[in-house]
Amino acid sequence: NAGVTQTPKFQVLKTGQSMTLQCAQDMNHNSMYWYRQDPGMGLRLIYYSASEGTTDKGEVPNGYNVSRLNKREFSLRLESAAPSQTSVYFCASSPGTGGGQPQHFGDGTRLSIL
Amino acid sequence: GENVEQHPSTLSVQEGDSAVIKCTYSDSASNYFPWYKQELGKGPQLIIDIRSNVGEKKDQRIAVTLNKTAKHFSLHITETQPEDSAVYFCAASINPGYSTLTFGKGTMLLVSP
Repeated sequence: NAGVTQTPKFQVLKTGQSMTLQCAQDMNHNSMYWYRQDPGMGLRLIYYSASEGTTDKGEVPNGYNVSRLNKREFSLRLESAAPSQTSVYFCASSPGTGGGQPQHFGDGTRLSIL
Repeated sequence: GENVEQHPSTLSVQEGDSAVIKCTYSDSASNYFPWYKQELGKGPQLIIDIRSNVGEKKDQRIAVTLNKTAKHFSLHITETQPEDSAVYFCAASINPGYSTLTFGKGTMLLVSP
């Protein structure tokens, strides 16, 4: 059982390039999330999808777009990468749309923007 | 919005000692409090959680306590082992409709043999 799978694991981009981070879960979860993790900042929510067909902004959505492709897949797109977007990006999923559902995380994509 | 403060930022203990990490939250409507362990190069892994209708929960060497009046909750690890060394995050959720979480900034726990 793979759980939450993120691709790629590492990526280096130049400023202004675009990129899509992929996330897929095989737990039949309804809700999915994208976070970024920066040193000393903890995990900050970028976007989430409470259920298939819906997406909402989190704490730090500027510079990002998302697509909930189907129930399994939730992608994060950087249209014009900036050095401030250098970070580790984590995708997570949770079983339902109700509050208090435990989130399950992937192992992250480490993104460097030069 | 919700704010979660976590202390200490680093904690060093000897193997066999206990470790305590504390978090405070700002919104009295918060009702779900998970704790995550993150090992180097990995994603956070849920280790224990507690809901606002419960004061304490235990799972082997790990326990979490919740004080709703004071708006703080704590993670207790007893008989620490070197493999407990990791970064620990607390989080809080206030939204009954969605499972969004606000995370603390993390505590790096180092357990020396």
